[in-house]
Amino acid sequence: EPEVTQTPSHQVTQMGQEVILRCVPISNHLYFYWYRQILGQKVEFLVSFYNNEISEKSEIFDDQFSVERPDGSNFTLKIRSTKLEDSAMYFCASSGGRLQSNEKLFFGSGTQLSVL
Amino acid sequence: QKEVEQNSGPLSVPEGAIASLNCTYSDRGSQSFFWYRQYSGKSPELIMSIYSNGDKEDGRFTAQLNKASQYVSLLIRDSQPSDSATYLCAVNTDYGGSQGNLIFGKGTKLSVKP
Repeated sequence: EPEVTQTPSHQVTQMGQEVILRCVPISNHLYFYWYRQILGQKVEFLVSFYNNEISEKSEIFDDQFSVERPDGSNFTLKIRSTKLEDSAMYFCASSGGRLQSNEKLFFGSGTQLSVL
Repeated sequence: QKEVEQNSGPLSVPEGAIASLNCTYSDRGSQSFFWYRQYSGKSPELIMSIYSNGDKEDGRFTAQLNKASQYVSLLIRDSQPSDSATYLCAVNTDYGGSQGNLIFGKGTKLSVKP
């Protein structure tokens, strides 16, 4: 069964360092997302991406965050200067179409980011 | 602020019983509703979607939607210990020309006792 793949599964970094989280969405999917979940809290939307552009971003997705589709298969989330409060599980997700067209969202296994 | 509310639980049911999980949402224009299961430390796993008022059954799972009351529920029949997880209600609150995204509730923790 096709799945969303994320690497690394765990990332430890020092405050102020840059991190790049990587994702390979399901191969025939065109719509991509990043969500995060701080321990014990809700899954929160960060950003959606389609056709090499950001479709929508939340208040969390400030200037320290960026996304990129560097090639035909990868989708990355970069945090330029990490803060302690960026520590969370980051989930990549993809869908085959727009969610209001009754498409479904499938999640990767996540990257646990720990900022020290 | 678009909200999705769930009772955080824990909800404890004996093995073989019916577990009933509930969710309310604030945006009356929401069109798509999803239930995800999340085991501790794992990613959300889609188990049901529902788009129209009424019931939708898939195996031991039944999703119920009442748009007038802004209420979604999930019934799990013949609950098994392996169903013990946190169940997340998610609502697509964007419509029109955008890509859409899901707003999640905090989840209800279900514990099925053998």
